[in-house]
Amino acid sequence: GAGVSQSPRYKVAKRGQDVALRCDPISGHVSLFWYQQALGQGPEFLTYFQNEAQLDKSGLPSDRFFAERPEGSVSTLKIQRTQQEDSAVYLCASSLGRGSYNEKLFFGSGTQLSVL
Amino acid sequence: SQQGEEDPQALSIQEGENATMNCSYKTSINNLQWYRQNSGRGLVHLILIRSNEREKHSGRLRVTLDTSKKSSSLLITASRAADTASYFCATEGGKLIFGQGTELSVKP
Repeated sequence: GAGVSQSPRYKVAKRGQDVALRCDPISGHVSLFWYQQALGQGPEFLTYFQNEAQLDKSGLPSDRFFAERPEGSVSTLKIQRTQQEDSAVYLCASSLGRGSYNEKLFFGSGTQLSVL
Repeated sequence: SQQGEEDPQALSIQEGENATMNCSYKTSINNLQWYRQNSGRGLVHLILIRSNEREKHSGRLRVTLDTSKKSSSLLITASRAADTASYFCATEGGKLIFGQGTELSVKP
């Protein structure tokens, strides 16, 4: 595709509900990143994939957060038993090579999650 | 945790003026990147400066890097209303780590 696509654009969930956020990276991009951005803050790293391998998940806040990229292209970020503090914009980014070293990231527009 | 810290947090200027934003970081880096984010949108890459470079230009953007002070600055010359956005510096450490950003408002 022309850019990184994320869906849904907006998601409202009731506390305790499970949600799944989808990211379609740019075709052929090896690396995929998920970031969480709270209102008025910079993006916070969540997890990183190189193809289908999840090489870094150090930023996932709890075991309620799970990400996968089974075929090395589309990725899904799943949040189980959502809580109010999970409310944020979830950004997906991809890059052509095997990591962010000397590479720029291409970001999607994000999914704005509101947990009521 | 965030590696970079931008200064100022908010900046308001008139169209045509120059805007300068600063970024300080904590650990040694291989490169530093600047991104722009329009309200409600994802981040857009502006410029990358490597640790062995001191200055880099791209159109109306000028970035400097001082590795001895662990700081970088982004200068936007002859600003336009369309430059209104948040600006973030980001450093790598296997993954890009972003600061909290400078919110720039350019008034027509």
